[in-house]
Amino acid sequence: QSVLTQPPSVSGTPGQRVTISCSGDAPNIGSNFFYWYQQFPGKAPKLLMYRNTQRPSGVPDRFSASKSGTSASLAISGLRSDDEADYYCATWDDSGRYVFGSGTNVIVL
Amino acid sequence: EARLVESGGGSVQPGGSLRLSCEGSGFNIGRNWMHWVRQVPGKGLVWVSRVNGDATVKSYADAVRGRFTISRDNAKNTVYLQMDSLRAEDTAVYYCVRVMTYDMDAFEMWGQGTMVTVSS
Repeated sequence: QSVLTQPPSVSGTPGQRVTISCSGDAPNIGSNFFYWYQQFPGKAPKLLMYRNTQRPSGVPDRFSASKSGTSASLAISGLRSDDEADYYCATWDDSGRYVFGSGTNVIVL
Repeated sequence: EARLVESGGGSVQPGGSLRLSCEGSGFNIGRNWMHWVRQVPGKGLVWVSRVNGDATVKSYADAVRGRFTISRDNAKNTVYLQMDSLRAEDTAVYYCVRVMTYDMDAFEMWGQGTMVTVSS
């Protein structure tokens, strides 16, 4: 079971800004970085954000992320239909395990 | 184009074994930490195991420790996951992952996944 809790789904209309929360279950989650992954149905995940706020090359600046304490959030601005996917946060816990969040399905209305 | 290619998945009875392979194509995996992550279809991602560049450090999720063994052969540019004493709950798509060169916690490159089904 995940120690990182995400909402099962978030939705928005094209052009809107949506945010996905990722809440860590302290004290398992320490001062480590958070990461975000995007996954389309039937496809492998893709690294979306690293080190809390950094975008890999090729990721649009519509995606942004932040961290506060043992929680993090991902924001998608200018929502597009091709942003419909599952999004996972991840970090290391203090036991040396890489833990993924429960996942959030983004729905574009 | 650099990519990871997994193989070795399939169907096996409970208690059986499988060995997954993950070959780097178009790049050298030699210095990178490599991981295995699994996903039950329709469910979330679960980290399984990791190995460092020279295979001197390995770690496992609690659910697989003692049953799975990660290894690598840098000369063959390949990482392996030996899975023994398989259980129904090990049924999942298994992904091989390479981390970023400058951030060993960022899962930068993912393979296409290989399906493992444990069923009688």
